[in-house]
Amino acid sequence: DAGITQSPRHKVTETGTPVTLRCHQTENHRYMYWYRQDPGHGLRLIHYSYGVKDTDKGEVSDGYSVSRSKTEDFLLTLESATSSQTSVYFCAISESGSSHYEQYFGPGTRLTVT
Amino acid sequence: QQQVKQSPQSLIVQKGGIPIINCAYENTAFDYFPWYQQFPGKGPALLIAIRPDVSEKKEGRFTISFNKSAKQFSLHIMDSQPGDSATYFCAAKTGNNRKLIWGLGTSLAVNP
Repeated sequence: DAGITQSPRHKVTETGTPVTLRCHQTENHRYMYWYRQDPGHGLRLIHYSYGVKDTDKGEVSDGYSVSRSKTEDFLLTLESATSSQTSVYFCAISESGSSHYEQYFGPGTRLTVT
Repeated sequence: QQQVKQSPQSLIVQKGGIPIINCAYENTAFDYFPWYQQFPGKGPALLIAIRPDVSEKKEGRFTISFNKSAKQFSLHIMDSQPGDSATYFCAAKTGNNRKLIWGLGTSLAVNP
């Protein structure tokens, strides 16, 4: 998985609790992304980062926040988890440069909010 | 509004068949069209990609056909194998924008 790890890989949490998912890369790639994948909805971008401390919202950012204090780590936080946030979460990375658009995905985190 | 429309949603073929997955788009500023393959329990991985200045690209048994005037592109899998059973996603992007616009995916099953 191109030097990308996600932790935890599985998590069950209760409604209203905060949850933080971690994405760690060893590739020194500039761009990092958080997606959620749900049946019938494909991959939906939550947030992405174009550098340390530089982040922007994706199409489904409500209820999520992110932080990137160093190149290798991109954190996704659910401030107060809801059942609608039960999903599989994927982190992805990509290089900078005009010919490097491939996104490399991590193994995913399955989150269940009860 | 789905900017990249992918069809069919699911597809079943026999081994050796040629499944075809189609994607249509409206934004003529799209300049990069990748296909990703995802196996159960794994993250998606780039399969093949094309730019709008070529009409076809082949990599092994996988071919992208691109029709700029129709604003459509398709993935063909020649001599399909059970190991090709996966979900396939098309996507597109514009200029230096690093965000991909994704289709909703096609679940392909290749029967032995």
